[in-house]
Amino acid sequence: NAGVTQTPKFQVLKTGQSMTLQCAQDMNHNSMYWYRQDPGMGLRLIYYSASEGTTDKGEVPNGYNVSRLNKREFSLRLESAAPSQTSVYFCASTVAGEGDTQYFGPGTRLTVL
Amino acid sequence: ELKVEQNPLFLSMQEGKNYTIYCNYSTTSDRLYWYRQDPGKSLESLFVLLSNGAVKQEGRLMASLDTKARLSTLHITAAVHDLSATYFCAVDMNNTDKLIFGTGTRLQVFP
Repeated sequence: NAGVTQTPKFQVLKTGQSMTLQCAQDMNHNSMYWYRQDPGMGLRLIYYSASEGTTDKGEVPNGYNVSRLNKREFSLRLESAAPSQTSVYFCASTVAGEGDTQYFGPGTRLTVL
Repeated sequence: ELKVEQNPLFLSMQEGKNYTIYCNYSTTSDRLYWYRQDPGKSLESLFVLLSNGAVKQEGRLMASLDTKARLSTLHITAAVHDLSATYFCAVDMNNTDKLIFGTGTRLQVFP
């Protein structure tokens, strides 16, 4: 099992450009999450999807959109990137409702110039 | 609003010594998680604590949860250099599978 995979690993954007971060898991998990981690800080939840077909906002959703394409895939889109969105983005997944830990992908390091 | 506070934020300790990292949270929850992150890497799950009084141990690390005090501890016994990393606690908001993370404790173990 690959676990949680993310693409790309690194990305540099100019202000105003758009991009989509991809995430996939092969553990048959129901719930998937997008977090951002800024230097010296913990993770903050951007959006999550409790199950296929549902999405909801987390702590810091402004400037982002998500799509739960199917049970395996959950994408994060930046429509018009801003320097404040420079961060490391982590995708995670878990079995819903059982208190199981979240499993994290390797991260995408995004720089917006 | 659920807040999660860790202390200390930075910890430099000598090999062989013991120390405890504290994680306080502001609202009721009985699900708490500990993760480890190495520089430039992703998060690795260490412990899952799902009830008051839960205690888990793995090697030189032991985690406990007191839901009444809204406090979890991560105790390090006889530290070794390989434990150098950043440790995060995370609390499940109302058992919704939505986690709020602490700011992390950066641990450095020196000879």
